[in-house]
Amino acid sequence: GAGVSQSPSNKVTEKGKDVELRCDPISGHTALYWYRQSLGQGLEFLIYFQGNSAPDKSGLPSDRFSAERTGGSVSTLTIQRTQQEDSAVYLCASSPPAGQQETQYFGPGTRLLVL
Amino acid sequence: QKEVEQNSGPLSVPEGAIASLNCTYSDRGSQSFFWYRQYSGKSPELIMSIYSNGDKEDGRFTAQLNKASQYVSLLIRDSQPSDSATYLCAVGSGTASKLTFGTGTRLQVTL
Repeated sequence: GAGVSQSPSNKVTEKGKDVELRCDPISGHTALYWYRQSLGQGLEFLIYFQGNSAPDKSGLPSDRFSAERTGGSVSTLTIQRTQQEDSAVYLCASSPPAGQQETQYFGPGTRLLVL
Repeated sequence: QKEVEQNSGPLSVPEGAIASLNCTYSDRGSQSFFWYRQYSGKSPELIMSIYSNGDKEDGRFTAQLNKASQYVSLLIRDSQPSDSATYLCAVGSGTASKLTFGTGTRLQVTL
Protein backbone atom coordinates (compact mmCIF):
# COMPACT_ATOMS: atom_id res chain seq x y z
CA GLY A 1 0.00 0.00 0.00
CA ALA A 2 0.94 3.66 -0.16
CA GLY A 3 3.45 4.91 2.35
CA VAL A 4 3.69 8.22 4.14
CA SER A 5 3.76 11.11 1.70
CA GLN A 6 5.02 14.63 2.28
CA SER A 7 4.89 17.81 0.27
CA PRO A 8 6.63 19.77 -0.94
CA SER A 9 9.76 17.67 -1.28
CA ASN A 10 11.88 20.82 -1.33
CA LYS A 11 11.14 24.35 -0.18
CA VAL A 12 13.34 27.41 -0.48
CA THR A 13 12.10 30.51 1.29
CA GLU A 14 13.34 33.86 2.43
CA LYS A 15 13.97 34.67 6.06
CA GLY A 16 10.83 36.02 7.67
CA LYS A 17 8.36 34.24 5.41
CA ASP A 18 5.87 31.62 6.62
CA VAL A 19 5.94 28.05 5.31
CA GLU A 20 3.51 25.13 5.47
CA LEU A 21 4.63 21.54 5.26
CA ARG A 22 2.15 18.75 4.64
CA CYS A 23 2.10 15.11 5.69
CA ASP A 24 -0.30 12.40 4.55
CA PRO A 25 0.09 9.31 6.78
CA ILE A 26 -0.42 5.66 5.91
CA SER A 27 -4.13 4.90 5.71
CA GLY A 28 -5.44 3.62 9.04
CA HIS A 29 -2.51 4.90 11.08
CA THR A 30 -3.82 6.88 14.01
CA ALA A 31 -0.54 8.26 15.31
CA LEU A 32 1.48 10.87 13.42
CA TYR A 33 4.83 12.37 14.31
CA TRP A 34 6.94 15.26 13.12
CA TYR A 35 10.73 15.22 13.45
CA ARG A 36 13.43 17.36 11.96
CA GLN A 37 16.96 16.48 11.00
CA SER A 38 19.60 19.13 10.61
CA LEU A 39 22.66 18.45 8.47
CA GLY A 40 24.74 15.70 10.05
CA GLN A 41 22.49 15.50 13.10
CA GLY A 42 20.12 12.94 14.52
CA LEU A 43 16.37 13.17 14.39
CA GLU A 44 14.84 15.74 16.72
CA PHE A 45 11.25 15.12 17.86
CA LEU A 46 8.84 18.00 17.32
CA ILE A 47 5.24 16.91 17.95
CA TYR A 48 3.05 13.81 18.15
CA PHE A 49 -0.63 13.45 17.22
CA GLN A 50 -3.04 10.75 18.29
CA GLY A 51 -6.05 11.28 16.11
CA ASN A 52 -6.53 15.04 15.89
CA SER A 53 -5.13 15.86 19.31
CA ALA A 54 -1.50 16.47 20.18
CA PRO A 55 -0.62 14.86 23.54
CA ASP A 56 3.03 15.81 23.16
CA LYS A 57 4.18 19.11 21.72
CA SER A 58 7.32 19.22 23.81
CA GLY A 59 9.70 19.28 20.86
CA LEU A 60 8.40 22.40 19.14
CA PRO A 61 11.39 24.75 19.36
CA SER A 62 9.48 28.03 19.62
CA ASP A 63 6.05 29.57 19.28
CA ARG A 64 6.82 30.18 15.62
CA PHE A 65 6.16 26.46 15.10
CA SER A 66 2.65 25.02 15.10
CA ALA A 67 0.96 21.95 13.73
CA GLU A 68 -2.52 20.65 13.24
CA ARG A 69 -4.14 17.48 12.07
CA THR A 70 -7.62 17.23 10.61
CA GLY A 71 -9.89 14.26 10.07
CA GLY A 72 -7.39 12.03 11.81
CA SER A 73 -5.37 12.06 8.64
CA VAL A 74 -3.44 14.88 6.99
CA SER A 75 -1.21 17.07 9.14
CA THR A 76 0.28 20.47 8.45
CA LEU A 77 3.37 21.87 10.16
CA THR A 78 3.56 25.66 9.95
CA ILE A 79 6.66 27.70 10.60
CA GLN A 80 6.06 31.43 10.91
CA ARG A 81 8.69 34.11 10.33
CA THR A 82 11.27 31.54 9.26
CA GLN A 83 14.85 31.87 10.42
CA GLN A 84 18.01 30.44 8.87
CA GLU A 85 18.36 27.99 11.75
CA ASP A 86 15.04 26.46 10.68
CA SER A 87 16.79 25.00 7.63
CA ALA A 88 16.57 21.23 7.96
CA VAL A 89 14.80 18.16 6.65
CA TYR A 90 11.36 17.87 8.21
CA LEU A 91 10.29 14.25 8.49
CA CYS A 92 6.82 12.92 9.17
CA ALA A 93 6.12 9.42 10.44
CA SER A 94 2.98 7.46 11.23
CA SER A 95 2.26 4.34 13.25
CA PRO A 96 -0.64 1.89 13.56
CA PRO A 97 -3.45 2.19 16.12
CA ALA A 98 -2.79 1.71 19.83
CA GLY A 99 -2.49 -1.91 20.85
CA GLN A 100 -0.28 -2.75 17.91
CA GLN A 101 3.46 -2.39 17.79
CA GLU A 102 4.20 1.30 17.57
CA THR A 103 6.71 1.06 14.76
CA GLN A 104 7.01 4.40 13.03
CA TYR A 105 7.21 4.59 9.25
CA PHE A 106 8.78 7.66 7.74
CA GLY A 107 7.89 9.74 4.75
CA PRO A 108 10.49 11.07 2.30
CA GLY A 109 10.79 14.40 4.11
CA THR A 110 10.64 18.05 3.13
CA ARG A 111 13.98 19.78 2.70
CA LEU A 112 13.59 23.36 3.89
CA LEU A 113 16.19 25.98 3.08
CA VAL A 114 15.79 29.45 4.56
CA LEU A 115 17.90 32.07 2.81
CA GLN B 1 24.72 12.67 28.84
CA LYS B 2 22.90 11.95 25.59
CA GLU B 3 19.79 9.82 25.95
CA VAL B 4 20.75 7.49 23.11
CA GLU B 5 24.42 7.14 22.24
CA GLN B 6 26.05 5.67 19.18
CA ASN B 7 29.57 5.77 17.86
CA SER B 8 29.46 8.06 14.83
CA GLY B 9 31.99 6.00 12.89
CA PRO B 10 32.68 5.52 10.12
CA LEU B 11 32.78 1.81 10.76
CA SER B 12 34.57 0.18 7.87
CA VAL B 13 34.16 -3.55 7.19
CA PRO B 14 35.15 -5.63 4.16
CA GLU B 15 32.49 -7.19 1.98
CA GLY B 16 31.30 -10.49 3.42
CA ALA B 17 32.31 -9.65 6.99
CA ILE B 18 30.07 -9.11 10.02
CA ALA B 19 29.31 -5.50 10.92
CA SER B 20 28.52 -4.84 14.58
CA LEU B 21 26.71 -1.63 15.50
CA ASN B 22 26.16 -0.63 19.10
CA CYS B 23 23.84 1.66 20.99
CA THR B 24 23.37 2.55 24.66
CA TYR B 25 20.43 4.37 26.21
CA SER B 26 19.89 6.14 29.49
CA ASP B 27 16.17 5.68 30.26
CA ARG B 28 15.69 2.40 32.15
CA GLY B 29 11.96 2.56 31.46
CA SER B 30 12.47 2.19 27.71
CA GLN B 31 10.51 -0.70 26.25
CA SER B 32 10.90 -0.59 22.49
CA PHE B 33 14.01 -0.46 20.38
CA PHE B 34 14.46 0.08 16.69
CA TRP B 35 17.18 0.13 14.09
CA TYR B 36 16.68 2.32 11.05
CA ARG B 37 18.90 2.54 7.98
CA GLN B 38 19.33 5.91 6.32
CA TYR B 39 21.00 6.33 2.96
CA SER B 40 22.48 9.72 2.21
CA GLY B 41 19.72 12.17 1.26
CA LYS B 42 16.96 9.68 2.04
CA SER B 43 14.59 9.18 4.96
CA PRO B 44 15.05 6.49 7.64
CA GLU B 45 13.92 2.98 6.73
CA LEU B 46 13.03 0.46 9.45
CA ILE B 47 15.40 -2.52 9.63
CA MET B 48 14.56 -4.21 12.91
CA SER B 49 12.48 -3.79 16.03
CA ILE B 50 13.09 -5.57 19.34
CA TYR B 51 11.17 -5.51 22.59
CA SER B 52 12.51 -8.39 24.73
CA ASN B 53 15.94 -9.27 26.01
CA GLY B 54 17.92 -11.57 23.76
CA ASP B 55 18.40 -11.90 20.04
CA LYS B 56 16.02 -11.38 17.14
CA GLU B 57 17.05 -12.49 13.68
CA ASP B 58 15.69 -11.37 10.32
CA GLY B 59 17.67 -12.53 7.31
CA ARG B 60 21.20 -11.14 7.53
CA PHE B 61 20.27 -8.88 10.43
CA THR B 62 20.29 -9.74 14.14
CA ALA B 63 19.24 -7.32 16.83
CA GLN B 64 20.41 -7.94 20.39
CA LEU B 65 18.91 -6.34 23.49
CA ASN B 66 20.20 -6.30 27.06
CA LYS B 67 17.94 -4.13 29.21
CA ALA B 68 20.04 -4.65 32.34
CA SER B 69 23.04 -3.15 30.58
CA GLN B 70 20.86 -0.66 28.65
CA TYR B 71 22.47 -1.84 25.46
CA VAL B 72 21.14 -2.72 22.04
CA SER B 73 23.14 -3.86 19.05
CA LEU B 74 22.68 -4.73 15.39
CA LEU B 75 24.73 -7.37 13.61
CA ILE B 76 24.84 -7.49 9.84
CA ARG B 77 26.17 -10.75 8.45
CA ASP B 78 27.72 -11.12 5.01
CA SER B 79 27.93 -7.34 4.66
CA GLN B 80 27.34 -5.99 1.17
CA PRO B 81 28.34 -2.64 -0.36
CA SER B 82 24.62 -1.83 -0.49
CA ASP B 83 24.61 -1.94 3.33
CA SER B 84 26.76 1.20 3.35
CA ALA B 85 24.56 3.76 5.08
CA THR B 86 24.00 5.45 8.41
CA TYR B 87 22.29 3.24 11.00
CA LEU B 88 20.09 4.99 13.53
CA CYS B 89 19.21 3.49 16.89
CA ALA B 90 15.85 4.62 18.27
CA VAL B 91 14.30 4.01 21.68
CA GLY B 92 10.67 4.30 22.75
CA SER B 93 8.51 3.89 25.81
CA GLY B 94 6.51 0.98 24.40
CA THR B 95 3.39 2.98 23.70
CA ALA B 96 2.55 5.32 20.86
CA SER B 97 4.86 8.21 21.67
CA LYS B 98 7.99 9.82 20.41
CA LEU B 99 11.13 7.88 19.62
CA THR B 100 14.48 9.16 20.82
CA PHE B 101 17.16 8.71 18.21
CA GLY B 102 20.89 8.43 18.40
CA THR B 103 22.96 10.42 15.95
CA GLY B 104 23.74 7.30 13.94
CA THR B 105 26.73 5.20 12.97
CA ARG B 106 28.01 5.47 9.42
CA LEU B 107 28.86 2.04 7.99
CA GLN B 108 31.14 1.63 5.01
CA VAL B 109 31.38 -1.81 3.39
CA THR B 110 34.48 -2.00 1.26
CA LEU B 111 35.10 -4.24 -1.75
